Amino acid sequence: EAQVTQNPRYLITVTGKKLTVTCSQNMNHEYMSWYRQDPGLGLRQIYYSMNVEVTDKGDVPEGYKVSRKEKRNFPLILESPSPNQTSLYFCASSYGTSGRDTQYFGPGTRLTVL
Amino acid sequence: GESVGLHLPTLSVQEGDNSIINCAYSNSASDYFIWYKQESGKGPQFIIDIRSNMDKRQGQRVTVLLNKTVKHLSLQIAATQPGDSAVYFCAEMGEMDSNYQLIWGAGTKLIIKP
Repeated sequence: EAQVTQNPRYLITVTGKKLTVTCSQNMNHEYMSWYRQDPGLGLRQIYYSMNVEVTDKGDVPEGYKVSRKEKRNFPLILESPSPNQTSLYFCASSYGTSGRDTQYFGPGTRLTVL
Repeated sequence: GESVGLHLPTLSVQEGDNSIINCAYSNSASDYFIWYKQESGKGPQFIIDIRSNMDKRQGQRVTVLLNKTVKHLSLQIAATQPGDSAVYFCAEMGEMDSNYQLIWGAGTKLIIKP
């Protein structure tokens, strides 16, 4: 089944404790992206990647890192999480490199930073 | 920055009736628009898209209308069913620094009354 998977689905952590949320897609998509979703704000892009080893900042990159060492995986790293990073996170992928193709979303990761 | 917004945060519709969800966008240069559906606990799911060289596009029970003159987008759902209950997002594809980025609206919650 073609899908985007994220792990973990739920995470509660404390301020300053480094964490990684994994994202993997099995559709051989070039473009991958991370979003955060907060009430009343819709989805805001954190980082995106057009290809392996190519990443770029989205609208709200502060406090986040990403890497794209292989096509299928695009982990989101919070080096020192803070309470304002409590949010619902979605990973997405799409076929082409530009991001103009239909994006397929993972099930989401709900993160709480205490 | 550019913004995409929705007129009504919540829409309540009788089962079997038609639903119309509206969306305003601000970037007149955007040439691609997408509607996503997000059910509770899930990631956004693509419904239908439209390019700026069209003013109407139909899918199965859904129709998207684009009015470029007033920068307005709408999603019409025919004969709404309980499974249509979800939050609906419009998004526009805007070009920033030679890359294409999805700009999301805040979402409209559709409630289907039995």
